[in-house]
Amino acid sequence: DMKVTQMPRYLIKRMGENVLLECGQDMSHETMYWYRQDPGLGLQLIYISYDVDSNSEGDIPKGYRVSRKKREHFSLILDSAKTNQTSVYFCASSSWTVSAETLYFGSGTRLTVL
Amino acid sequence: GDSVTQTEGLVTLTKGLPVMLNCTYQTTYSPFLFWYVQHLNEAPKLLLKSSTDNKRTEHQGFYATLHKSSSSFHLQKSSVQLSDSALYFCALSEQVVGQLTFGRGTRLQVYA
Repeated sequence: DMKVTQMPRYLIKRMGENVLLECGQDMSHETMYWYRQDPGLGLQLIYISYDVDSNSEGDIPKGYRVSRKKREHFSLILDSAKTNQTSVYFCASSSWTVSAETLYFGSGTRLTVL
Repeated sequence: GDSVTQTEGLVTLTKGLPVMLNCTYQTTYSPFLFWYVQHLNEAPKLLLKSSTDNKRTEHQGFYATLHKSSSSFHLQKSSVQLSDSALYFCALSEQVVGQLTFGRGTRLQVYA
């Protein structure tokens, strides 16, 4: 079953706390992504990972970092979260060997920073 | 850099009517265009895609034609249903890089 799994689905944190968002996929896709979605702004790319320990900044990387130690797992870390990081975060994956441009998305994590 | 423009933020229609959601793009590379659909509280899913100029692509009753001469990839359906209510994103990929640039999205709301 082709699946991208995100945990948790909902998260509330206080400003200044650290946040860890986790994403897993069972398709052995090489490429994984983190996006955030805000009303009226669409999907903005935070980071892209081309494989284990091969990560690149997207369009809005400031305030975020990522970790990919296994191909199937990609984490997004917010060190000292800010209120403007309240958003819905989507993880996605794709495969160069199958169809590089087709992204498979997780169900999202709704993060609220108070 | 690349950009995708969706001019409508919200489109409201009565079921059974036709719809066209606009998408135009800018890129210096050979474009690969996509439409993703996101139903409420769900993940975005690929609806259709194309890189072939002037060829109609269809899926689930929706269709779109990539026109490189006008840099457009409008999404159409001849008769919308209540279940088509969702957020629709147009996206562009540079075939060299393979990274998607998304438009801001158009929310389609269909009423009975």
